[in-house]
Amino acid sequence: DQQVKQNSPSLSVQEGRISILNCDYTNSMFDYFLWYKKYPAEGPTFLISISSIKDKNEDGRFTVFLNKSAKHLSLHIVPSQPGDSAVYFCAATFNAMDSNYQLIWGAGTKLIIKP
Amino acid sequence: KAGVTQTPRYLIKTRGQQVTLSCSPISGHRSVSWYQQTPGQGLQFLFEYFSETQRNKGNFPGRFSGRQFSNSRSEMNVSTLELGDSALYLCASSWAQRFPRNEQFFGPGTRLTVL
Repeated sequence: DQQVKQNSPSLSVQEGRISILNCDYTNSMFDYFLWYKKYPAEGPTFLISISSIKDKNEDGRFTVFLNKSAKHLSLHIVPSQPGDSAVYFCAATFNAMDSNYQLIWGAGTKLIIKP
Repeated sequence: KAGVTQTPRYLIKTRGQQVTLSCSPISGHRSVSWYQQTPGQGLQFLFEYFSETQRNKGNFPGRFSGRQFSNSRSEMNVSTLELGDSALYLCASSWAQRFPRNEQFFGPGTRLTVL
C-alpha cells in the first residue's frame, strides 16, 4: 500500500523553464512533508519542507505547494538549471502510535534538464 | 566538517548469512536513522536512534535490528538474509530531536547484494 505516490517516474524540462514535480498521498494523518533530491552514487539531500498547516513554502528557486483537500503536493523549480537534474523524492511524516514517528517516501521522479 | 560515512560501501552475502553495516554520523549529530532503498521503490524507513535509544521504528521484521553507541556511531544488523534484502541501505544523521521533520544528512549508502 503506497501511501505516498509519485506517479511520474521521469520528467524532462528545458533549461530556464519551470519544473513541476507532483506527489499524491492517501494518509490524512500526514502532518509534514519534505522534498529531497538525489544524485547518482550519493545520498539524498534535503531541499524544502512544508507543514500541513500551510499551503505554500518558498526557498529561492524552490516552492512547495500543498493542497490538503486533494491530498496533493507539488514542487516547483524556477528557473530550471542543468544542476537540477536528479531524482526527487517526496516524503511525509506522521505519528503512528505512542510517539512512533514514521517517514514515508515516494518512489521518486527523475528530472532531466535539457540544455 | 566531514559528512556521514558508511562502511562498507559494497557487500555480497549469501542467503541465510547475517550482515552488519556501520554508519558514522556528522560530528555533533545525535540522531541516526536507517533506510532501505530497492529498485523502483522509494526509501523505506527502518529505525531511528537518538542518544543510544531506538525512538522510532518502521515496519520491518525483527531480522532487522540496530544499535547506537555513546559516540553516536550506529550499526545495523540483518540476520538470516533473504534475496529480497538486496538493496541500498542508507544512513542519515541530524542534530535536532525533531525527527523526522528536521533536515537529515545522508551518507552514500551500502549496496548489499544477497545471492
